[in-house]
Amino acid sequence: DVVLTQTPPTLSATIGQSVSISCRSSQSLLDSDGDTYLNWLLQRPGQSPQLLIYSVSNLESGVPNRFSGSGSETDFTLKISGVEAEDLGVYYCMQATHAPYTFGAGTKLELK
Amino acid sequence: QVQLKESGPGLVQPSETLSLTCTVSGFSLTSYGVNWVRQPPGKGLEWMGTIWNDGSTDYNSALKSRLSISRDTSKSQVFLKMNSLQTEDTAIYLCARGFAHWGQGVMVTVSS
Repeated sequence: DVVLTQTPPTLSATIGQSVSISCRSSQSLLDSDGDTYLNWLLQRPGQSPQLLIYSVSNLESGVPNRFSGSGSETDFTLKISGVEAEDLGVYYCMQATHAPYTFGAGTKLELK
Repeated sequence: QVQLKESGPGLVQPSETLSLTCTVSGFSLTSYGVNWVRQPPGKGLEWMGTIWNDGSTDYNSALKSRLSISRDTSKSQVFLKMNSLQTEDTAIYLCARGFAHWGQGVMVTVSS
């Protein structure tokens, strides 16, 4: 199974600060169809996950453009340019290139 | 709009079978796949399986021997059945259209 390693496990930020989360895969997530199925999700406390970014860098409809994703093959990054209070929660990367689909362990974003 | 809602028993006896229903609205099951994902209390997300728009299924190999996903397109319902439940199967069970639209989840506790 593909292992996704997220760092850091916890992130403390002030409002307005820019932060980045890393997700490294144990194997390339480039699919044979040319797409890379690496997604980023946010789970706020007590809520279901919300899709933020799909296929590495595509912003899901309705998601603020302070969120951005980048990377390729095995190394991926989620950046938040100017944290807002509503961004607090646990961020997960997940891959849907190789079955079984797998999730990273999560990065908890807290207010400093 | 797209909606998904999980339903099922909150408490299941060890060694028994779990049966959950995901009732969807706002889209057709013949056009979109539905995933089942679970989350043990305080832990991360685990993909369980997918029923695709053509009715085919994929399962997490770790659960495949115990898991079955089916659907009734006329009722817009997707079903999850998992047998031989153990305490470690205690979790919130969520259904999702792709990974962009999620239900609220249903808490299932395995206990005698």
